[in-house]
Amino acid sequence: AQSVTQLDSQVPVFEEAPVELRCNYSSSVSVYLFWYVQYPNQGLQLLLKYLSGSTLVKGINGFEAEFNKSQTSFHLRKPSVHISDTAEYFCAVSYNQGGKLIFGQGTELSVKP
Amino acid sequence: GAVVSQHPSWVICKSGTSVKIECRSLDFQATTMFWYRQFPKQSLMLMATSNEGSKATYEQGVEKDKFLINHASLTLSTLTVTSAHPEDSSFYICSALIGLAGVSDTQYFGPGTRLTVL
Repeated sequence: AQSVTQLDSQVPVFEEAPVELRCNYSSSVSVYLFWYVQYPNQGLQLLLKYLSGSTLVKGINGFEAEFNKSQTSFHLRKPSVHISDTAEYFCAVSYNQGGKLIFGQGTELSVKP
Repeated sequence: GAVVSQHPSWVICKSGTSVKIECRSLDFQATTMFWYRQFPKQSLMLMATSNEGSKATYEQGVEKDKFLINHASLTLSTLTVTSAHPEDSSFYICSALIGLAGVSDTQYFGPGTRLTVL
């Protein structure tokens, strides 16, 4: 079965430190990859997406992610986090354009002063 | 600004009543919308895919007679929870499939609706 695995359920980090949130997917076919952020009691906001082309994708709020086909990974990174980045982050994959999204379990990023 | 809106943002109802949740695509046409359910501290579970002008496609295990979906226009989909019970209490989130460059390839999510059934 196709699946998305976010390897860390919680990531605590100090303000201004770099962070990496890991995401792996299972697939033998082409995929479309997304990272969403969810603040408490809110819907999901798109951070960035990979559809094709350059494997390094830059998104909003200083986040970026790199698509690695050989490792079936799409890890999210930010060189220096802020308190306001504290939120739940979801990695998602779609196996056809405009198709259903399969979500990972989510990673809770907690930025401490 | 927000691309997808939901109404209401929260609702409390008595057991046995029905509740309707609206999902609107703002300024964009969305032939396809999705409905998700999210329990506390958990990921999103897809309930159904809503296509404008046709019947919704429900995921396995989701009762279509309990969760009625109507997608009557290109900007509006509704989810009606019929005869709600406390176990239906959850956070319901919709999304619209929108392609800002003319290709529908990305889901944009609404802010969610918190349903509490007493």
